[in-house]
Amino acid sequence: DGGITQSPKYLFRKEGQNVTLSCEQNLNHDAMYWYRQDPGQGLRLIYYSQIVNDFQKGDIAEGYSVSREKKESFPLTVTSAQKNPTAFYLCASRGGTRGVYEQFFGPGTRLTVL
Amino acid sequence: SQQGEEDPQALSIQEGENATMNCSYKTSINNLQWYRQNSGRGLVHLILIRSNEREKHSGRLRVTLDTSKKSSSLLITASRAADTASYFCATDAGAGANSKLTFGKGITLSVRP
Repeated sequence: DGGITQSPKYLFRKEGQNVTLSCEQNLNHDAMYWYRQDPGQGLRLIYYSQIVNDFQKGDIAEGYSVSREKKESFPLTVTSAQKNPTAFYLCASRGGTRGVYEQFFGPGTRLTVL
Repeated sequence: SQQGEEDPQALSIQEGENATMNCSYKTSINNLQWYRQNSGRGLVHLILIRSNEREKHSGRLRVTLDTSKKSSSLLITASRAADTASYFCATDAGAGANSKLTFGKGITLSVRP
């Protein structure tokens, strides 16, 4: 089955710890995205990558870091510098005919800081 | 920054009724997309309408786009309890490799059986 997987589904972190959220896709999509969703809110873009070994900051990149060493993988690290990291994190990928794209989302990771 | 603003924020209807949700945006776009999210899950793409299109249908979904008013509407006909979810509009203002979506805050739809 083609799709996007995120792991773990639930993650608990102590204050001051870095944690890494996994995102893998087998859709052969070039572009991948990380979003943060808070209760009752929409999605806010953290980082995105249009191609391997390249990525750009989104609207709320502070306190987060990413890497894109492989086309299939786009892990997100939530660092201790992120002051309010408790949220639902969604990874997405995108591909399609040139110029028109829809995004495919993973099931999400719920991060809770204890 | 969130470009899409959905209206209403919450909508409760009876099964079988139609549900209409609206989205307004501020800048020129290449296309507008609607997504659905069940509680605690990822988003699922519903329908995409390009800036040169005015109306599009997909099953029980009908989406319109008025670029002069910078607004879109999503109509779900003959709603079912299973349509209960949050619905988001997303605008695509970029082009090519730098294109990315901007999501609104979403509309919570409750369909009563």
